[in-house]
Amino acid sequence: KQEVTQIPAALSVPEGENLVLNCSFTDSAIYNLQWFRQDPGKGLTSLLLIQSSQREQTSGRLNASLDKSSGRSTLYIAASQPGDSATYLCAVGAGANNLFFGTGTRLTVIP
Amino acid sequence: KAGVTQTPRYLIKTRGQQVTLSCSPISGHRSVSWYQQTPGQGLQFLFEYFSETQRNKGNFPGRFSGRQFSNSRSEMNVSTLELGDSALYLCASSTRGQGANEQYFGPGTRLTVT
Repeated sequence: KQEVTQIPAALSVPEGENLVLNCSFTDSAIYNLQWFRQDPGKGLTSLLLIQSSQREQTSGRLNASLDKSSGRSTLYIAASQPGDSATYLCAVGAGANNLFFGTGTRLTVIP
Repeated sequence: KAGVTQTPRYLIKTRGQQVTLSCSPISGHRSVSWYQQTPGQGLQFLFEYFSETQRNKGNFPGRFSGRQFSNSRSEMNVSTLELGDSALYLCASSTRGQGANEQYFGPGTRLTVT
């Protein structure tokens, strides 16, 4: 069974800092990997989707990389802002629209 | 294009009762997946429907069931509610039926069982 782990569980940084969130998975036979953001008590907002054949995706200040062979993905956030404060979840696509989610990283950006 | 909608947004039920949650996918999306989110277990997959057929099911008891209608709207039902069923229930929709595709999530239904 696919196991997805995210480190660190919580992160607090000053505004303007660049940061990296980590995601690891145990089974490299994946279709894709998706990064989400979740605000307290809310649903999930899709940030980036990386197909299994891709190495990275970029959207604005966000860059996600994927290394299938080592079972790792990173989400890089440049020039962090207080509005980036949220829980970030990575999810591995395993077919038939079934996503295996990590435990999340709770990010706090201090003004 | 409207996003995924879920109704109701909040629900309070008593142990032993049953509940039905509704999810309307993005127009044109034929796949709907359901997830349960709790502080202890995180996000867990319940089941996925495509063209009115359940294609995949997570490791949940038979009290959890679902269905999908011809317009792709989906409902999930939980019978004989237990305190541990208190959770945020999220649905997600996506386009194609083959493989794993980008999923778009609704705002969730917060179920509290007392």
